[in-house]
Amino acid sequence: EIVLTQSPATLSLSPGQRATLSCRASQSVSSYLAWYQQKPGQAPRLLIYDASNRATGIPARFSGSGSGTDFILTISSLEPEDFAVYYCQQRRNWPLTFGQGTRLEIK
Amino acid sequence: EVQLVESGGGLVQPGGSLRLSCAASGFTFNRYGMTWVRQAPGKGLEWVSAISDSGTATYYPDSVQGRFTISRDNSKNTLYLQMTSLRADDTAIYYCAKDLGPRISPWSFDLWGRGTLVTVSS
Repeated sequence: EIVLTQSPATLSLSPGQRATLSCRASQSVSSYLAWYQQKPGQAPRLLIYDASNRATGIPARFSGSGSGTDFILTISSLEPEDFAVYYCQQRRNWPLTFGQGTRLEIK
Repeated sequence: EVQLVESGGGLVQPGGSLRLSCAASGFTFNRYGMTWVRQAPGKGLEWVSAISDSGTATYYPDSVQGRFTISRDNSKNTLYLQMTSLRADDTAIYYCAKDLGPRISPWSFDLWGRGTLVTVSS
């Protein structure tokens, strides 16, 4: 099973700042990694698929990079609505796995 | 409207069974792989099962293999999850989700339902 480790567990930033979230895989997932955003009481929302492709309707301030074992989700300038929990997910191998999440909170 | 709507959750005793349903609308259901993902209270996301667009291929993690069965009825645009031998640690919100499709990114999930709560307790 591929283990995804997200860091940091919690990130405290202010609106307007840049956020950098990390996801590290226990073995190569090539570019088969997605990022999701989840707000309290809501279902997850796909942001990025295959490491760097923005999903439909996702603002350009969200970007993804990386390949192999190391991936980054960047939010270039935080908006108030961006404070949420973010998860990565790999589809390289079965079972599909998610990271444990990074909570992005308002400082 | 493009949407997924789960139903069938509720309170069940340990060892019991439950069948969840996910009604799809607004897209061509039989062209997409589907999945169930759960979230225990206050915890992260855990993948539970997946099924191919035709229903011929199914996938499970070890934690539910042999206890859960995913299926679909493409004539009814509905996804199912049959859960048996339920345990307290199966308590969670269960989400169904649709993948992006074989031409874009299979097993990346762009449409999610609102979830249905399953509580396993005596």
